[in-house]
Amino acid sequence: DGGITQSPKYLFRKEGQNVTLSCEQNLNHDAMYWYRQDPGQGLRLIYYSQIVNDFQKGDIAEGYSVSREKKESFPLTVTSAQKNPTAFYLCASSPNRGAGETYEQYFGPGTRLTVT
Amino acid sequence: RKEVEQDPGPFNVPEGATVAFNCTYSNSASQSFFWYRQDCRKEPKLLMSVYSSGNEDGRFTAQLNRASQYISLLIRDSKLSDSATYLCVVDTGFQKLVFGTGTRLLVSP
Repeated sequence: DGGITQSPKYLFRKEGQNVTLSCEQNLNHDAMYWYRQDPGQGLRLIYYSQIVNDFQKGDIAEGYSVSREKKESFPLTVTSAQKNPTAFYLCASSPNRGAGETYEQYFGPGTRLTVT
Repeated sequence: RKEVEQDPGPFNVPEGATVAFNCTYSNSASQSFFWYRQDCRKEPKLLMSVYSSGNEDGRFTAQLNRASQYISLLIRDSKLSDSATYLCVVDTGFQKLVFGTGTRLLVSP
């Protein structure tokens, strides 16, 4: 089955600790994205990557870092510098067929991170 | 002005009713438009793309009005299982999408 997996589903951490969220896709998509969703708010873009070994900051990148060493994988690290890390984190991928058009995104099941 | 604006609802409708949602967007250069569905505490799932000519998928019809910069979603013969939050999504260019905060639909027996 093709799809996007995120692990773990729930994650609990103490304040001051870095934590890495996993995102893997086997859809052969070039582009991958990380969003966070807070209650009552829309999705906000953290980082995105259109190709391996390249990524760009989204609207709320402060306190986060990413890597894109493989096409299939786009892990997100939530660092201790992120002031309000508790949120629902969603990873997505997109076919990115080029020609400047923006294509639909497909989401993983998400990771709920709670930092106390 | 927000890039994408939606009425948060909730829209409470009985089974079998027809319901419509609108969404306005601010970027006149946007080219790609989508409706997603999100169930409580789940990930968003693509419902349908919205084309200039409009498109229909079963009970769902989406329309785009570029002149007035809004898109709409019409659901006919509502089912209990249609209860969810519907997200309006618009591209900002450069392979990025902006998501509205969603319109909540509650279908009752």
